[in-house]
Amino acid sequence: SQQGEEDPQALSIQEGENATMNCSYKTSINNLQWYRQNSGRGLVHLILIRSNEREKHSGRLRVTLDTSKKSSSLLITASRAADTASYFCATDDTGTASKLTFGTGTRLQVTL
Amino acid sequence: EPEVTQTPSHQVTQMGQEVILRCVPISNHLYFYWYRQILGQKVEFLVSFYNNEISEKSEIFDDQFSVERPDGSNFTLKIRSTKLEDSAMYFCASSVGTQLGFGPGTRLLVL
Repeated sequence: SQQGEEDPQALSIQEGENATMNCSYKTSINNLQWYRQNSGRGLVHLILIRSNEREKHSGRLRVTLDTSKKSSSLLITASRAADTASYFCATDDTGTASKLTFGTGTRLQVTL
Repeated sequence: EPEVTQTPSHQVTQMGQEVILRCVPISNHLYFYWYRQILGQKVEFLVSFYNNEISEKSEIFDDQFSVERPDGSNFTLKIRSTKLEDSAMYFCASSVGTQLGFGPGTRLLVL
């Protein structure tokens, strides 16, 4: 697989449920970032986790990083319809964010 | 909260024409980037720019592409002679550290 492969490609859940998205990568990284993209819009930075961190929280978001497995997961708890978007992981090899490598994305649909 | 802005939001052009996409990065940011996203595909890095010069570029960023910071606020991407495959959403981004702020994008359609 390529750097930054996410699964599932699409996820449909009901409001109030939790959503988990996974990202795998191939090379060593300095940090991994998660972004959200609403349909036809720009990318919004959600959270950054450094290679020496294992877990990070921000509001309803929880990110884990397992550098031995080269994988990360994004958990959105108590999802809302407004969480409907595509979610991308992006790896930063250098720590300077000079060149992020994005994953393929997970399309999340939260229904009422 | 300051944001990256981009103009135009949409542009339609004929193959072979030159286009200039414009961006106003966040004012205290020092690093500037262009990324693109072909419909249904990954967001791809094009180029990074720091201290008035390109610091890194991808294979996509060939001689048809150029970037410029013509004044203290604007950051532009020029495509000299557009091809059909240049049709994509182009995102400008800026940063002062490891977290990028992205603009809303310019959707370019080459006919």
